Amino acid sequence: QITLKESGPTLAKPTQTLTLTCTFSGFSLTTSGVGVAWIRQPPGKALEWLAVINWKDDKRYKSSLKTRLTITKDTSKNQVVLTMTNMDPVDTATYYCAHRPAGGGYYFQDWGQGTLVTVSS
Amino acid sequence: QSALTQPPSASGSPGQSVTISCTGTTSDIGAYDYVSWYQQHPGKVPKLMIYEVSKRPSGVPDRFSGSKSGNTASLTVSGLQAEDEADYYCSSYAGTNIWGVFGGGTKLTVL
Repeated sequence: QITLKESGPTLAKPTQTLTLTCTFSGFSLTTSGVGVAWIRQPPGKALEWLAVINWKDDKRYKSSLKTRLTITKDTSKNQVVLTMTNMDPVDTATYYCAHRPAGGGYYFQDWGQGTLVTVSS
Repeated sequence: QSALTQPPSASGSPGQSVTISCTGTTSDIGAYDYVSWYQQHPGKVPKLMIYEVSKRPSGVPDRFSGSKSGNTASLTVSGLQAEDEADYYCSSYAGTNIWGVFGGGTKLTVL
C-alpha cells in the first residue's frame, strides 16, 4: 500500500521561507522511473504543478516559480522536501505531494492528504 | 507554461453521457500521449481516473474513457451517476524542461 503524507507549518508570514516535507511508504525513490511531485491548489482554484524529483535526482520546476523553489530527496528517510522562498499571500494553498509510478508515464497515481498553508502577516 | 483550457462546467442527467474537453498546444497535448485526468470531490484529494490518454487505473469504472485528437484531449463519462459529480482536471506532460501542466478544471454536475 502506497501512502504519502505532507508535513510542515500551516501558517507562514510574507517573505518567509516555507519548508514542506513529504514522507512516503510503499515505494522507493531509488526505483527506476519513480518520482515525487509537489502540486498545490489555492482555495477554490485549480491544481498547479510545482516541482518533481525522480530516482536519478533529476529535478524540474514550474518555470514561473523556478527561482523560489527547491526540491530535494532523502531516500534513506523516504522523504521529499520542497522549499519555497519569499512567501506571499497568493501562495496560500493546499500543498500536495504525489507519487509518479515507474513505467515511464507522466502522471500521479497516489496523492497525500494535502496540507493547507496560509500566508498572512 | 500556460494552463490547459477546460470548460468551467459541464452537466448531464443520470444515465446520460458527458464529454469534457481539454485543449492544449503542439508543445503539450499535441506532442505527447501523456494526458491524464483527475477527479476531485469537494474537500477531497484528487484521484487519478485516466492516464496516458486512455488507460484506466485498476478500480476506475469503465464508464470513464479518454481520447485525444490533435491538441485536444477529452474525458467521457458514460452512464452518469450521482457520485460522478465532482471537479475534473486534465494534465499533460509538456517536455523535459516544463514537465507538467494542469487544466483549469471542469465542474461536472449531475442533474
